[in-house]
Amino acid sequence: SQQGEEDPQALSIQEGENATMNCSYKTSINNLQWYRQNSGRGLVHLILIRSNEREKHSGRLRVTLDTSKKSSSLLITASRAADTASYFCATAGGSARQLTFGSGTQLTVLP
Amino acid sequence: NAGVTQTPKFRVLKTGQSMTLLCAQDMNHEYMYWYRQDPGMGLRLIHYSVGEGTTAKGEVPDGYNVSRLKKQNFLLGLESAAPSQTSVYFCASSGDHYEQYFGPGTRLTVT
Repeated sequence: SQQGEEDPQALSIQEGENATMNCSYKTSINNLQWYRQNSGRGLVHLILIRSNEREKHSGRLRVTLDTSKKSSSLLITASRAADTASYFCATAGGSARQLTFGSGTQLTVLP
Repeated sequence: NAGVTQTPKFRVLKTGQSMTLLCAQDMNHEYMYWYRQDPGMGLRLIHYSVGEGTTAKGEVPDGYNVSRLKKQNFLLGLESAAPSQTSVYFCASSGDHYEQYFGPGTRLTVT
C-alpha cells in the first residue's frame, strides 16, 4: 500500500511562479525524501529531511516536515520549464532503508 | 562511473515465458532494490537486498525471484510471466546514506 499521498495529483504553473506540492503519510518515519522523475527516466533524489528536522533548503527547493500532522511539503521557487516532471515523496523506515513512495504530483511549468 | 545500469531497456514477453532483468551498480553500495511502477502510481518495492548473498521480500514479491551473488549485481527473475507483470521496473541502490540511486528502468510488456 502507498504510504505517502501527494496533493495535488497534477499542477500547472507559469515559468517564474512557485510550485508547492504536499505529501501525507501514515506511520512514523526515520526520514522523508523527495524525488523527481522526468518522463521515461529513472528517479533522481532531490532532498532528504530527517524526522527531527522541520525545514530544509537546497537551492530553489524548500522542504518542510510536520511529524505531528504526518505531512510534508516541497516548494520549488522561481520555477523553470526544465522543472516539468513528476515529483514523489518517499518515507523511510526499517533497518534496510526501504522507501515507500507516494503516487506523485505531475508538475508542468509553462514557458 | 556509470552509477546504476539496467538491462534490457525494453522487452516483450508472451504469457508463461521467463526472463531475467539485470541491475549493476559501480558505487560499492550495500543495499539494492527492485521496484515496479504502474501508470499513475508511485513505485512499489518487489524485493531488496542488504548485502551480497542476502535477499528479502518487499511489498509485492509474488511472481518474482531475485539473487545477489555479487555485491554489484542484483538480478530479478520472472519464472512464468503474466499480463499483470506488464510494468516499468526500476533498480536502485543505496550506501551509507539513505538516498537511493535509480537506474533508467526496464519497460516490460507481457502479452
